[in-house]
Amino acid sequence: DAGVTQSPTHLIKTRGQQVTLRCSPKSGHDTVSWYQQALGQGPQFIFQYYEEEERQRGNFPDRFSGHQFPNYSSELNVNALLLGDSALYLCASSPVPGQWTNTEAFFGQGTRLTVV
Amino acid sequence: GDSVTQMEGPVTLSEEAFLTINCTYTATGYPSLFWYVQYPGEGLQLLLKATKADDKGSNKGFEATYRKETTSFHLEKGSVQVSDSAVYFCALSVADKIIFGKGTRLHILP
Repeated sequence: DAGVTQSPTHLIKTRGQQVTLRCSPKSGHDTVSWYQQALGQGPQFIFQYYEEEERQRGNFPDRFSGHQFPNYSSELNVNALLLGDSALYLCASSPVPGQWTNTEAFFGQGTRLTVV
Repeated sequence: GDSVTQMEGPVTLSEEAFLTINCTYTATGYPSLFWYVQYPGEGLQLLLKATKADDKGSNKGFEATYRKETTSFHLEKGSVQVSDSAVYFCALSVADKIIFGKGTRLHILP
């Protein structure tokens, strides 16, 4: 059983560019969340997708947007990149909300984004 | 708002020493509590969890007890190994959103 998979593993972008990161959830999981982990910090919640809709959102600007596809995979898009967007971006999947309450999430290996 | 506070690192111990990493939380409602571990260059792995007060989560010799009265979830292990060197994150889940502490880096010396 494949776990959560993310692509690419590493990415270098120039300030002002746009980037798209991809995530496939663990088999049987319908909910996908994205987190930003700056160097030396804990992950910060960006947003969560369920049934192809953004279900809840953390304290991130509108430059961060996402999408979930019918097969439950997801994309994270960041526009107008800033140097401060350099971080490890983690995707997490979990079972359908409502079936479980406050369940744990399963994380991918992450995409290391460097903005220069 | 909901938050997690864990002890600052790095923590350096000798092999076979006893480990405690303190974690306290603030939350509305009834969160689930977790410890995640991150090995160098990798993503997060769930180490253990507890879903209600007085539950004890355990895995790989690590354990933590959900203490509602002290809002704590301290991580302990009786005898650490070099392979336990990693960053440990205390976290809570409320309404399917996970909130993490800042992490504690653990170094185990042979």
